[in-house]
Amino acid sequence: AQTVTQSQPEMSVQEAETVTLSCTYDTSENNYYLFWYKQPPSRQMILVIRQEAYKQQNATENRFSVNFQKAAKSFSLKISDSQLGDTAMYFCAFMKHDGGAQKLVFGQGTRLTINP
Amino acid sequence: SQTIHQWPATLVQPVGSPLSLECTVEGTSNPNLYWYRQAAGRGLQLLFYSVGIGQISSEVPQNLSASRPQDRQFILSSKKLLLSDSGFYLCAWSRDGNQPQHFGDGTRLSIL
Repeated sequence: AQTVTQSQPEMSVQEAETVTLSCTYDTSENNYYLFWYKQPPSRQMILVIRQEAYKQQNATENRFSVNFQKAAKSFSLKISDSQLGDTAMYFCAFMKHDGGAQKLVFGQGTRLTINP
Repeated sequence: SQTIHQWPATLVQPVGSPLSLECTVEGTSNPNLYWYRQAAGRGLQLLFYSVGIGQISSEVPQNLSASRPQDRQFILSSKKLLLSDSGFYLCAWSRDGNQPQHFGDGTRLSIL
């Protein structure tokens, strides 16, 4: 069974700093997708970034980028020039296909606080 | 554009009462639909998913059930709520293939 582990329950940085959130996963599949979701205090789950396992190039979305290490099964999220609005819970997720649907397996989350 | 609506936003129910949470998607057809539960300070756990009308798959044994009476409508139900059913429930949709899931705003359910 696939598992996703986020080893940092909480992190805190100053505004404008760069922060990296860690995520490791376990799977025997070769083709899969990985995601980072953000959940602000409003509790809405917002997609931040996605990575296809067959792509060697790391995904980037503006200030958000990933460091995908397939052999190590590591998928970290880097937030550059952090902003107060980045304060949220961040969840790493692994997507697998089963029965025609895509199933997401989530990590336990990292609570990130950006301080002014 | 596609939107997902989930209601109610907050619900307080006594133990033993029934439950009905509704989720609808607009702007797309034949979406894959999902119900998740999030315990306080934890990640999301997939409860049910549906790839078509009347097709429901359950991920974990529980006191809840799901139905999909229409293409873009997904309902989470219970005949008798337990204290352990408290939590934050999220509905999500996705297209086929390897598309990401998009979530509703969630329902906070408190059982007294």
